[in-house]
Parts: sequence; C-alpha cells; structure tokens
Amino acid sequence: DAGVTQSPTHLIKTRGQQVTLRCSPKSGHDTVSWYQQALGQGPQFIFQYYEEEERQRGNFPDRFSGHQFPNYSSELNVNALLLGDSALYLCASSLSSGGSYEQYFGPGTRLTVT
Amino acid sequence: EDQVTQSPEALRLQEGESSSLNCSYTVSGLRGLFWYRQDPGKGPEFLFTLYSAGEEKEKERLKATLTKKESFLHITAPKPEDSATYLCAVQAWDSGYALNFGKGTSLLVTP
Repeated sequence: DAGVTQSPTHLIKTRGQQVTLRCSPKSGHDTVSWYQQALGQGPQFIFQYYEEEERQRGNFPDRFSGHQFPNYSSELNVNALLLGDSALYLCASSLSSGGSYEQYFGPGTRLTVT
Repeated sequence: EDQVTQSPEALRLQEGESSSLNCSYTVSGLRGLFWYRQDPGKGPEFLFTLYSAGEEKEKERLKATLTKKESFLHITAPKPEDSATYLCAVQAWDSGYALNFGKGTSLLVTP
C-alpha cells in the first residue's frame, strides 16, 4: 500500500523565483492538504483540495496556489519567493467519506530560498 | 480562535522512565484531536485520533487520553527509539478540515 509521496525531496531557489512542488496521495484517498513547517514550529495549514477544487484556505497570501488533478495528485505553486518561504512543505492526504478525519503526511519537500 | 499548547517543549528521559506529554486546547467544537510523531527532517507519522472526552487509545508503549480541555500522551518504559518530536493537532467543526498544530514536544530517551 503506497503512502503519500512528494517530489522533489530538496530544492534551492533564489528570491523572486517560482517553485512547484508535487504530491501523490495515499492509495484510496481523494483529498490533499498542504502545510508549511518552519524550523521548530508545528505545521501551518496552507489549503486543501477536494474534487479538483480548493475547498479551504489558511492564512497564506495569493502567492501560494495549488491544483488537484483527476487522479487526485496535487501541486503547490509559490510565486515571487521570499526568504521567509524557506521551510519544509508537507502534503497530507485523507478520505472525505467514511467519517474518519485522519490526515496522513508525506516525507516533505525542504525548500531553501537564498 | 483555536489554540493548541504543548508542554513541556523538551523532555529528556532515561530508558524505562515513564512520563506524560500534555496538549491543552481551546476550540469551539472539537471534531478530533490527533497525535503525530515526527523524526528530524521527516513528515509527521500518524499515531492516534481521539474524538470525545474519556476516550483512550493505545499503541505499544504509547497511550493517549482526552478530556474536554487537554490530552495526554503517556509513554510507558520508553526506549531510545521513541526519541522524536510529538505533535498534537486539533480539528474543529467550525474550522473546516484544517489541522491546527501545537509546536510539539521534543523527546529524548537516553540508554
């Protein structure tokens, strides 16, 4: 049973550039959420995608955008990168039906902005 | 606004020395409280979900409990491989599907 996968593992970008991170959900899951985790902090919710639509958004600027594909995989795009965007970006998948609200996380993408 | 506070920030235990981690929360209506384990540089690993006060869940040396204001993660006779950061998160009925995390407790178990 394949878990949540993310690519790339590490990424180094320059301030002002754009980046795309990718996520494949756990087998059988239909919902993908993205989180940003700064060093020493808990993950912060960016947004959630379900049925190819953004279902909920956290307190992040419009520079952060996403997409969900028909196979439930997802992308996170960040434009005009700032030094403060350096963090571990986590993707979590879940199943919207069934009454269980558990989210399963991938290994993350470490983004460094220089 | 939902708030999650974890204590202590860091905990050092001798192998076999049992202890508890605390997660205090404030939400308008709790949908679920979640415990995760996170190793350095890795994604959080799901441990438990608790839905209502009085509920308890166990897995190996870990036991999670829930009251209306807080949750405890009890670690019995820990081993060095239990060393990790333990994260608590809440999900509220009026906050949609987002998990609101605490900052975590960093646990070190020495031989």
